[in-house]
Amino acid sequence: SQQGEEDPQALSIQEGENATMNCSYKTSINNLQWYRQNSGRGLVHLILIRSNEREKHSGRLRVTLDTSKKSSSLLITASRAADTASYFCAFGPYTGTASKLTFGTGTRLQVTL
Amino acid sequence: DTAVSQTPKYLVTQMGNDKSIKCEQNLGHDTMYWYKQDSKKFLKIMFSYNNKELIINETVPNRFSPKSPDKAHLNLHINSLELGDSAVYFCASSLQAEQYFGPGTRLTVT
Repeated sequence: SQQGEEDPQALSIQEGENATMNCSYKTSINNLQWYRQNSGRGLVHLILIRSNEREKHSGRLRVTLDTSKKSSSLLITASRAADTASYFCAFGPYTGTASKLTFGTGTRLQVTL
Repeated sequence: DTAVSQTPKYLVTQMGNDKSIKCEQNLGHDTMYWYKQDSKKFLKIMFSYNNKELIINETVPNRFSPKSPDKAHLNLHINSLELGDSAVYFCASSLQAEQYFGPGTRLTVT
């Protein structure tokens, strides 16, 4: 399967703790993206990291990419209850016109007070 | 203002019926997509249009037919609905690599 694999499948932490989720893929990529999906909602784009980048930050998010290991991680620091959601990595060729994204299996994050 | 909108939000119908889902984006993007998310939250691309032209067509039964009347709209028509079509269908749009998703249409086939 070309689907991305994410682990853990589920993660439960307390508010203020950090959350780390990992994504592994099998194909060559030119970028990898992370999306958040709140229950019953659409996906929201969080961050994109290009294949020539190893780390990227956006607010409380830190993404790393290791193309030699075909893996990426998403770190959410100082988590909040509002971070409770499912998180998906996504990758695929961007042709300049469209991205044919393959999504990972997702990590369900629960942040409790 | 809603960026990517879909109608209806919920759709309950019987096997064998034909139904349509509509999608509109006001972001000025050139490319739009349809995805299917199954009960295990697995998300899979179905189609993509760029400026009304079909550019991605995954292995989807030909009972599914997308139509793009203009670059701001992408509709999905499904003929002869089957139980296995029950899922959440998401529309998305993009200008570059990042995609912007609609709220989804939950289709239940009974």
